[in-house]
Amino acid sequence: DAGVIQSPRHEVTEMGQEVTLRCKPISGHDYLFWYRQTMMRGLELLIYFNNNVPIDDSGMPEDRFSAKMPNASFSTLKIQPSEPRDSAVYFCASSFLVETQYFGPGTRLLVL
Amino acid sequence: GEDVEQSLFLSVREGDSSVINCTYTDSSSTYLYWYKQEPGAGLQLLTYIFSNMDMKQDQRLTVLLNKKDKHLSLRIADTQTGDSAIYFCAESIMKTSYDKVIFGPGTSLSVIP
Repeated sequence: DAGVIQSPRHEVTEMGQEVTLRCKPISGHDYLFWYRQTMMRGLELLIYFNNNVPIDDSGMPEDRFSAKMPNASFSTLKIQPSEPRDSAVYFCASSFLVETQYFGPGTRLLVL
Repeated sequence: GEDVEQSLFLSVREGDSSVINCTYTDSSSTYLYWYKQEPGAGLQLLTYIFSNMDMKQDQRLTVLLNKKDKHLSLRIADTQTGDSAIYFCAESIMKTSYDKVIFGPGTSLSVIP
């Protein structure tokens, strides 16, 4: 298996623009997680899905952030409008059991 | 509460043993984990221990769990320069209807040649 695939790997955008991050989990995994990592706040869980259904979205910062999982092999995290404070590395992870998570390489987002 | 704490930095000489410590607060933890993050990469699961175990050994890695003190440690024997990375401690806890994994802030390990 290719592991968790994230795209794009790097994204530079201007404040106010819409940003869409994409994730393909490992086949057969029924949990999918979105995390944000910054120097100041460390690793934060934003939202996670089980069988495509959002289970815990308490970490989503505000209404500008939304996540979807239309099917078992694809998820998106959207920021609209983006702000400079959203600059971070965004990780997607998947797992068969919630405990053993496999992380993707991350998307480095820079909002100017 | 849900909190996992780690010291932020550790520096050791190549060939020495490294010990990375972690404390957690939730007594209902089921599993505890150690993840490794190399520069520019995602987190990689190194090892994990079930909460009813005291110790787990896997090649150069030894995990010790003191459930009474809610203390977890990772010992890396014969530390190599390739072990330089950030190490995250994490615990899984049972919420009322689902499991949740809480990560610590990470310990940056620097190995001096």
